[in-house]
Amino acid sequence: QVQLVQSGSELKKPGASVNVSCKASGYTFTTYAVHWVRQAPGQGLEWMGWINTITGKAEFAQGFTGRFALSLDTSVSTAYLQVSSPRAEDTAVYYCARAYCSGDCYFDYWGQGTLITVSS
Amino acid sequence: SSELTQGPAVSVALGQTVRITCQGDSLRSYSTSWYQQKPGQAPVLVIYGKNNRPSGIPDRFSGSTSGDTASLTITGAQAEDEADYYCNSRDSSYNHLRVFGGGTKLTVL
Repeated sequence: QVQLVQSGSELKKPGASVNVSCKASGYTFTTYAVHWVRQAPGQGLEWMGWINTITGKAEFAQGFTGRFALSLDTSVSTAYLQVSSPRAEDTAVYYCARAYCSGDCYFDYWGQGTLITVSS
Repeated sequence: SSELTQGPAVSVALGQTVRITCQGDSLRSYSTSWYQQKPGQAPVLVIYGKNNRPSGIPDRFSGSTSGDTASLTITGAQAEDEADYYCNSRDSSYNHLRVFGGGTKLTVL
């Protein structure tokens, strides 16, 4: 069965980079893009960006350019989100999601979410 | 601010029908998907495309679009449908990017 399993929660001090992994199983990793979604405490879902699992090219929503990076290791079917110089306002649950695209896209499988807490 | 606009909250009596709407320019051209999120859980896809349900989603969930407004309808709402619901579609300005609506909290009375 399709699964996306994310790395565990992290507590980070402001300025210390943080990485979230998203390991896929149950399907051919390069067949589907991976998207990332942020949810701040008590807030709604915020689409961050996506990565093409064939080319490795990533695109981001406005507001997520500069300090955010997406990468892949296709040999282990894993996508990564890196947040550089995190700030308190980056405290949130971060989700990865598989995108099924046929004319248009939708997110059919989601990771369980990773809570990143940024606090001094 | 979100480019997809949802009402913040809606309530429905048990067994009645409720419609949750999502408004945005991109919906005139692109399809909408809908996600259900319960507290402490990851979102779950409930409707995609014109009106498609993933396996396991009850047929009381349906979707439609008219003009710039997409709707998620729950016919015969159940207690377990109480959740936050989010729409998603393409960004109207950068259509290779995506955007979520602000979410609607559904309370089943």
